[in-house]
Amino acid sequence: GEDVEQSLFLSVREGDSSVINCTYTDSSSTYLYWYKQEPGAGLQLLTYIFSNMDMKQDQRLTVLLNKKDKHLSLRIADTQTGDSAIYFCAETYSESYQKVTFGIGTKLQVIP
Amino acid sequence: ETGVTQSPTHLIKTRGQQVTLRCSSQSGHNTVSWYQQALGQGPQFIFQYYREEENGRGNFPPRFSGLQFPNYSSELNVNALELDDSALYLCASTKTGDEEKLFFGSGTQLSVL
Repeated sequence: GEDVEQSLFLSVREGDSSVINCTYTDSSSTYLYWYKQEPGAGLQLLTYIFSNMDMKQDQRLTVLLNKKDKHLSLRIADTQTGDSAIYFCAETYSESYQKVTFGIGTKLQVIP
Repeated sequence: ETGVTQSPTHLIKTRGQQVTLRCSSQSGHNTVSWYQQALGQGPQFIFQYYREEENGRGNFPPRFSGLQFPNYSSELNVNALELDDSALYLCASTKTGDEEKLFFGSGTQLSVL
């Protein structure tokens, strides 16, 4: 079945890099996503990667995908206090892009 | 700014009542989906609509229903509210031809007492 797992909490110092990890179980995933949710807000799509890619870089964000191990990571370079939020890993399938399966979310705390 | 707006932002209901939540998407966003996010959890897929027809549903009972209108607005209706229905309800839409990108609204926080 579909399952996405991620650690609950990560604390980093401002200016350091953050790495948030995620594992998923369904090898038929087509797209894998990272969403950001700030307190009291909806979900902001940060970045996503197609399953036939192994890396994607977008400014301070780097996504790495290890399809063999079903492992996805998000690296945030030069982490800022504004990056403090909950980060959700998610997956979907080509048959139904809107049926997205989310992890429980990793709370990133950035210490000034 | 995602171009997806939801109303109301907060709502308080009592058990057994019915509730309607609303969502407005951007022009050209023909697919809309609804998610339930309980406190401390990731969002759970409720259902999706395309061209005013439901074409995908998650593990939610029939008392969760929806409507999609030609003007890119939609509704989520929940009958016979239960305490466990208390959650943040999120609407997401996608543009035809760009279906892998979901744009979420800010959600409606529903509290059932």
